[in-house]
Amino acid sequence: GESVGLHLPTLSVQEGDNSIINCAYSNSASDYFIWYKQESGKGPQFIIDIRSNMDKRQGQRVTVLLNKTVKHLSLQIAATQPGDSAVYFCAENRAGGYQKVTFGTGTKLQVIP
Amino acid sequence: ETGVTQSPTHLIKTRGQQVTLRCSSQSGHNTVSWYQQALGQGPQFIFQYYREEENGRGNFPPRFSGLQFPNYSSELNVNALELDDSALYLCASSAGQGVNQPQHFGDGTRLSIL
Repeated sequence: GESVGLHLPTLSVQEGDNSIINCAYSNSASDYFIWYKQESGKGPQFIIDIRSNMDKRQGQRVTVLLNKTVKHLSLQIAATQPGDSAVYFCAENRAGGYQKVTFGTGTKLQVIP
Repeated sequence: ETGVTQSPTHLIKTRGQQVTLRCSSQSGHNTVSWYQQALGQGPQFIFQYYREEENGRGNFPPRFSGLQFPNYSSELNVNALELDDSALYLCASSAGQGVNQPQHFGDGTRLSIL
């Protein structure tokens, strides 16, 4: 069945340190993955995406790693800042004629000043 | 560039009533999807609209219906409201229905059912 899960519900990180948020998925047919950031009272904000033919993609202060062998992806945030405090969702999409994005339950990132 | 906008931001209804939520897609985006997000959970896909037609649906009953208009804006209608329908309803738009098109979300409508 469909499943996108996150390893930890809450992650506390000291300001300035790097954060790593992990995510597992179960369907080998998943071919597109997205990380979203959701702040309190707001909708999910697109951070970065990666296609299944890649294993790494970098953005501004963020890196996503994809390991298709073990069906795992991670989001790395460099030099974590207080503004990074939010709930982070990994989501996956798969070929099927339309976009049915499946979200995990989320990891809450708390940045300690 | 105008992002995804949703209205209203908050709404209170009672069981059995009907509700209509509205969404304006980001400029240049022709595909709209709706999601339901219960408290403490990830968003759940309701359905997607492309070229004014529903072209994909999640596990939601028929009392959840929608429309897309020629300007790509969209409505979500829910009939016979139930207490469990209390949630944040999110609209997302993308530039095409392809799988590899990132969706951009609005800030949602918080619906409370009494």
